[in-house]
Amino acid sequence: DIQMTQSPSSLSASVGDRVTITCRASQSISSYLNWYQQKPGKAPKLLIYAASSLQSGVPSRFSGSGSGTDFTLTISSLQPEDFATYYCQQSYSTWWYTFGQGTKLEIK
Amino acid sequence: EVQLVESGGGLVQPGGSLRLSCAASGFTFSSYAMHWVRQAPGKGLEYVSAISSNGGSTYYANSVKGRFTISRDNSKNTLYLQMGSLRAEDMAVYYCARDRTTMVRGGLYYYYMDVWGKGTTVTVSS
Repeated sequence: DIQMTQSPSSLSASVGDRVTITCRASQSISSYLNWYQQKPGKAPKLLIYAASSLQSGVPSRFSGSGSGTDFTLTISSLQPEDFATYYCQQSYSTWWYTFGQGTKLEIK
Repeated sequence: EVQLVESGGGLVQPGGSLRLSCAASGFTFSSYAMHWVRQAPGKGLEYVSAISSNGGSTYYANSVKGRFTISRDNSKNTLYLQMGSLRAEDMAVYYCARDRTTMVRGGLYYYYMDVWGKGTTVTVSS
């Protein structure tokens, strides 16, 4: 099984800050890495797919990078609506699209 | 508008059964593989099950294998999850999601979940 580990588990930041969340896979997954944002009581929303491709309609302050086992999600300038929980997901294993444990981004 | 709407959640006793439905609209349902993902209260996302576009292939997480059955009716644009032998640890919000395949760099295909329903809540309690 491919395990996905995110760090940190939680993060406090201020509006305007640059924030980076890391996701590590237990084995190489090439660029088969997706990022989702989830707000309380809502369904997850796709932000980034294929490690660095921005989903249509997602603000350009969100970006993704990495390949192999190490990946990052960066928010260049935090906005109030960005405070949420973020999940990485690998799609390297056919249909075994496991998620990381999540990173909760809170207002400082 | 592309939309997924789950239904069928509710309160069920341990050992009981429940069938969830996911109604799709706004896209050609029969062209897409589909997934079920769940989220226990206060916990992260857990991948549950998947089915190919024609229903010929299915996948289950080890935690539900042998107890849950995924199926679809392409004539009704509906995805199902039949859940049996329910346990307390199955209590969660269940989301259905559309599988999307896109060619990105170098002619490679990448996979992700691009449309999600709002979820339906399953409570397992006596």
